[in-house]
Amino acid sequence: DTEVTQTPKHLVMGMTNKKSLKCEQHMGHRAMYWYKQKAKKPPELMFVYSYEKLSINESVPSRFSPECPNSSLLNLHLHALQPEDSALYLCASSQDPAPTPGANVLTFGAGSRLTVL
Amino acid sequence: AQTVTQSQPEMSVQEAETVTLSCTYDTSESDYYLFWYKQPPSRQMILVIRQEAYKQQNATENRFSVNFQKAAKSFSLKISDSQLGDAAMYFCAYRRRNDMRFGAGTRLTVKP
Repeated sequence: DTEVTQTPKHLVMGMTNKKSLKCEQHMGHRAMYWYKQKAKKPPELMFVYSYEKLSINESVPSRFSPECPNSSLLNLHLHALQPEDSALYLCASSQDPAPTPGANVLTFGAGSRLTVL
Repeated sequence: AQTVTQSQPEMSVQEAETVTLSCTYDTSESDYYLFWYKQPPSRQMILVIRQEAYKQQNATENRFSVNFQKAAKSFSLKISDSQLGDAAMYFCAYRRRNDMRFGAGTRLTVKP
């Protein structure tokens, strides 16, 4: 299995809803990432988990809450979002967070397109 | 903070021709990695090629090659024998440890 699987592919939610995005990989990767991508813009790093511990939080608003229950799963809990949070949310994983050859390639999922009404 | 700059928002190439996409970056580190990813309309980010900063030899993957100039902090991508399937958004990326940053992207159009 060489894939990162993200669900759902599309999500529409109101500003008062609580929803979650899910990401799963079975490649034995120990680092997992959430990126946010607005239309015609590059992905922006939100969070990084390394060995199931949060290692980078790019000053993301608290209405986004990441969770890494185990080394294969990464969730992004959403609550009280704003319309400007509508975007493509990309999950990625890599073999090892250390700068070793071959371990630095990020494998991306296909993304979850979120629309906040 | 590291920054990655792609100065060409759009590029166009004739099928079977060669095109070069530019990328520059800013860092004070000596140990890092550079990547080119492509993102077709399907949205999937796909690795095209990677370069370790400690390697002087330019990376090559079939029709894709890079010109890595460490002192100039330049990392351009050359696509030879362009194919219709190469049409996509191309992002240059810099990575050090867990931190990976992308440039603004270059949209490549391939004309038949």
